[in-house]
Amino acid sequence: EVQLLESGGGLVQPGGSLRLSCAASGFIFNNYAMSWVRQAPGKGLEWVSAISVSGGSTYYADSVRGRFTISRDNSNNTLYLQMNSLRAEDTAVYYCAKDDPWGRAYDSWGQGTLVTVSS
Amino acid sequence: DIQMTQSPSSLSASVGDRVTITCRASQSISSHLNWYQQKPRKAPKLLIYAASSLQSGVPSRFSGSGSGTDFTLTISSLQPEDFATYYCQQSYSIPRFTFGPGTKVDIK
Repeated sequence: EVQLLESGGGLVQPGGSLRLSCAASGFIFNNYAMSWVRQAPGKGLEWVSAISVSGGSTYYADSVRGRFTISRDNSNNTLYLQMNSLRAEDTAVYYCAKDDPWGRAYDSWGQGTLVTVSS
Repeated sequence: DIQMTQSPSSLSASVGDRVTITCRASQSISSHLNWYQQKPRKAPKLLIYAASSLQSGVPSRFSGSGSGTDFTLTISSLQPEDFATYYCQQSYSIPRFTFGPGTKVDIK
């Protein structure tokens, strides 16, 4: 059974940093691209970032480019999102998501971790 | 960037009703369209991929259709567990898979 378990969320002040982790199990992690998707309170889903199988290619939404860094450790089956220069509008539940075998949908999601940016 | 819209933004329906949700893309996305269901305080769940393919384990009352810019999600007979918010997602622009704004289905 595929499992994705996020951690690292919490309360941080504007301008601060946080690193999210997503521990993966139940599938061959280094065979699948991975993504982060967020959801602000009461709002819809927003794609944030994606990373290729090897980690050599990374992609970002315009809203986070230059502030967030996605990475992965294939030896430890873990996905990361380093978030710097956080803003109030980054407040959201952050989900990690696994690509389907064709790389065209997210067939498994974590339970999410809440990031709150507030003074 | 490809923009996605959904209609309606919300609807009220009864158990047993046939429900249809529409999703439109700002440009042609072929059949690269997915549908997700999200219940409160839960992660989204993939229902339909590639516009019309049913994800494993999803009940057959869910179906999807469409291509190009216009797509629909149909629930043939609404069940109590189907009350949720539904999102479409384009997967044409790899890997920037943008979502529609969502359609909330609640009990009439």
